[in-house]
Amino acid sequence: GAGVSQSPRYKVAKRGQDVALRCDPISGHVSLFWYQQALGQGPEFLTYFQNEAQLDKSGLPSDRFFAERPEGSVSTLKIQRTQQEDSAVYLCASSPLGDYTEAFFGQGTRLTVV
Amino acid sequence: AQSVAQPEDQVNVAEGNPLTVKCTYSVSGNPYLFWYVQYPNRGLQFLLKYITGDNLVKGSYGFEAEFNKSQTSFHLKKPSALVSDSALYFCAVRFYRDDKIIFGKGTRLHILP
Repeated sequence: GAGVSQSPRYKVAKRGQDVALRCDPISGHVSLFWYQQALGQGPEFLTYFQNEAQLDKSGLPSDRFFAERPEGSVSTLKIQRTQQEDSAVYLCASSPLGDYTEAFFGQGTRLTVV
Repeated sequence: AQSVAQPEDQVNVAEGNPLTVKCTYSVSGNPYLFWYVQYPNRGLQFLLKYITGDNLVKGSYGFEAEFNKSQTSFHLKKPSALVSDSALYFCAVRFYRDDKIIFGKGTRLHILP
């Protein structure tokens, strides 16, 4: 389809394991966002890219979290040495630049750390 | 710093009655305001937005929202609620097009048959 695609949809990781979450934005979308959503809560901002440039990473909770978008398209959110408190749904969104449009969200990756 | 507040965790409305879900914002400048809906195990779906112009904005599924600059509010409304409107609703604000979007904590809407 033409929407934002995230993989995997579900990930179970043992505490201490590293994980990588992938986001394929809508083709041509310049802006890309990552959010963390705890159960029953609103999405919390993690980081924002414009093309390959990471303009804002103020929401990343620790230096265990790292995001990249090397070619300005696909993005990967990496979490090192996962902890139980990292369990959440990770949402990716993309939007065009140069227009005050809404962001289009993927279905998210549900991460469970056991 | 920009922020958005949804003062109600949950709103219950009888089917067929009008509904309102409240949102207030705080930004230093002109805001871009959005409403999203989330159904269980789904991503966020865009409902409507206010950028500029008419204070009453119409969106998907019969929803509308009223921008009130003096009260810094952007309440979501619908004249006649449907059971299928039951979901989690999020208000969001973007200060500038090159900036992150900030979400409220969400309001769970229950439409009672």
